[in-house]
Amino acid sequence: EVQLVESGGGLVQPGGSLRLSCAASGFTFSSYWMSWVRQAPGKGLEWVANIKEDGSEKYYVDSVKGRFTISRDNAKNSLYLQMNSLRAEDTAVYYCARGDLWFGELWGFDYWGQGTLVTVSS
Amino acid sequence: SYELTQPPSVSVSPGQTARITCSGDALPKQFAYWYQQKPGQAPVLVIYKDSERPSGIPERFSGSSSGTTVTLTISGVQAEDEADYYCQSADSSGTYPDWVFGGGTKLTVL
Repeated sequence: EVQLVESGGGLVQPGGSLRLSCAASGFTFSSYWMSWVRQAPGKGLEWVANIKEDGSEKYYVDSVKGRFTISRDNAKNSLYLQMNSLRAEDTAVYYCARGDLWFGELWGFDYWGQGTLVTVSS
Repeated sequence: SYELTQPPSVSVSPGQTARITCSGDALPKQFAYWYQQKPGQAPVLVIYKDSERPSGIPERFSGSSSGTTVTLTISGVQAEDEADYYCQSADSSGTYPDWVFGGGTKLTVL
């Protein structure tokens, strides 16, 4: 059974940093693209970042470029999101999701974790 | 940037058919995905590659595509289908690829 378990969320002041983790199990982690998707309170879903199986390609939504860094440790079956210079608008539930690849391209997300809440407030 | 447009809400009575649309200029060239999200829960994939249904998803969920619009159809709606539904696609036409969600549609079962 595929399981994705996020951790590391919490309350942080504007300008602060936080590192999210996602522990994966039930599948060969090193064979999949992985992603972070967030959802602000009462709002819709927003893709944040993707990372290729071997970490060689990373993509970010424009609003987090230069502030967030996605990474992975395939030996530990873990995905990370380092978030720096946090802003109030980064407040959201952050979901870890597994990428769904077809014809060599990442199209969507087939499994999701339960999410971890990040609150940016003074 | 690329946008996907969904109606904010759809209402149906139990046993009827619900249709939720998603419009986007690039949809004729891109696969669409659909996710169901119930309050306080994580999203669940219900349709991938426009019309494929993952294992474990009831047969009453189906997807279709026509031009710039994709449609999620729920036949014989049940009370448990009340949820938010999001379409999603990828756009590789820009300098960097982008993965975009529609604004979501709240399905109410009357």
